[in-house]
Amino acid sequence: DSGVTQTPKHLITATGQRVTLRCSPRSGDLSVYWYQQSLDQGLQFLIQYYNGEERAKGNILERFSAQQFPDLHSELNLSSLELGDSALYFCASSVGRGADYGYTFGSGTRLTVV
Amino acid sequence: AQTVTQSQPEMSVQEAETVTLSCTYDTSESDYYLFWYKQPPSRQMILVIRQEAYKQQNATENRFSVNFQKAAKSFSLKISDSQLGDAAMYFCAYRSITGGGNKLTFGTGTQLKVEL
Repeated sequence: DSGVTQTPKHLITATGQRVTLRCSPRSGDLSVYWYQQSLDQGLQFLIQYYNGEERAKGNILERFSAQQFPDLHSELNLSSLELGDSALYFCASSVGRGADYGYTFGSGTRLTVV
Repeated sequence: AQTVTQSQPEMSVQEAETVTLSCTYDTSESDYYLFWYKQPPSRQMILVIRQEAYKQQNATENRFSVNFQKAAKSFSLKISDSQLGDAAMYFCAYRSITGGGNKLTFGTGTQLKVEL
């Protein structure tokens, strides 16, 4: 157990729907990162939050949004889902603003859009 | 933007032997961090080893070591005494210090098979 908790582990939903992925960072970590892992795009950085505030943004679609709550857990919202959104979504956390010592990853949420 | 290239999609090694996974990166920065992550069939991303660019000494973690060649922008991972549990996808990653936010930029991965 890495200490980063992601729920649910698996999610199957239809095109056009909206889903929410949840992440609880490792105890003491203030930064949360979201990544998408797909076969054709590899591991793509989506967004980072630090202590409740957006810190960095990557290749995140406008249909996707995220937030970090006061208790530091984070949610990634995916809407108007398309078949191409099917992927493994990882959350990771780190202590500070940066990732000098790398991230601690959760076990991911496997999203399948049908 | 920085890029990370892993040119070996698949590698095989016999148990107890040594294998080296290659990684090259492109950057104009002088200071940065490099990482190797392991992703076994469980999908969990596990940090294997970390290297700070300003340190000339190659990082070592038990059976895992790196060959960091800064001028050549090369960061290979050597696994000694390979074990069945080493079978996984290995990703090389780069982290900028001065720009690019705090994201890690990953390579496309190398699938390592360990054979008896």
